[in-house]
Amino acid sequence: DAGITQSPRHKVTETGTPVTLRCHQTENHRYMYWYRQDPGHGLRLIHYSYGVKDTDKGEVSDGYSVSRSKTEDFLLTLESATSSQTSVYFCAIEEGMGTEAFFGQGTRLTVV
Amino acid sequence: AQSVTQLDSQVPVFEEAPVELRCNYSSSVSVYLFWYVQYPNQGLQLLLKYLSGSTLVKGINGFEAEFNKSQTSFHLRKPSVHISDTAEYFCAVIHYGGSQGNLIFGKGTKLSVKP
Repeated sequence: DAGITQSPRHKVTETGTPVTLRCHQTENHRYMYWYRQDPGHGLRLIHYSYGVKDTDKGEVSDGYSVSRSKTEDFLLTLESATSSQTSVYFCAIEEGMGTEAFFGQGTRLTVV
Repeated sequence: AQSVTQLDSQVPVFEEAPVELRCNYSSSVSVYLFWYVQYPNQGLQLLLKYLSGSTLVKGINGFEAEFNKSQTSFHLRKPSVHISDTAEYFCAVIHYGGSQGNLIFGKGTKLSVKP
């Protein structure tokens, strides 16, 4: 299995609080992605990174920010959590464009 | 905008029957195409991919897909399904042409295999 771990795996938080999810890889892959998965919507891209300090927005980036200060870590921050951000969040890594993307096990976030 | 359309949200089928899961993409540039599978409460894993070359691509677990550039389609097929194939299947695309691209997914098709 590819070395990719997400933390935490489950989190319940209150509306208005900041939340940070962590994706850690041991594969030294260049590309890292954050997706959210919601019923009927499939996986929607939040942000992605193509190198240290190189990030870009996906289709549902509002309310989220990311940082990648090291190759192995890609952090997703919800600045002020809202109930609409209740979802399952997946991180993925990819060595190069067109290679296989490996997914973490997901983080189930509930905003109450 | 880049997009992937999976034409069926749910596909019920009986065991040992053939199945086709449909995927269309929008693109005016070159693409890489993928099918991923997600079993309950798990992450996604790659079934197969098309980068270039032969338009018929074979993947794991007996699945195959055919790239049709004129119809911008990449349909997934299996001649005989098993109960264990029950899962959600996602088509995905990378549009490339610059120095980086990003992986865009369809909304998924839930395959339900009945005995």
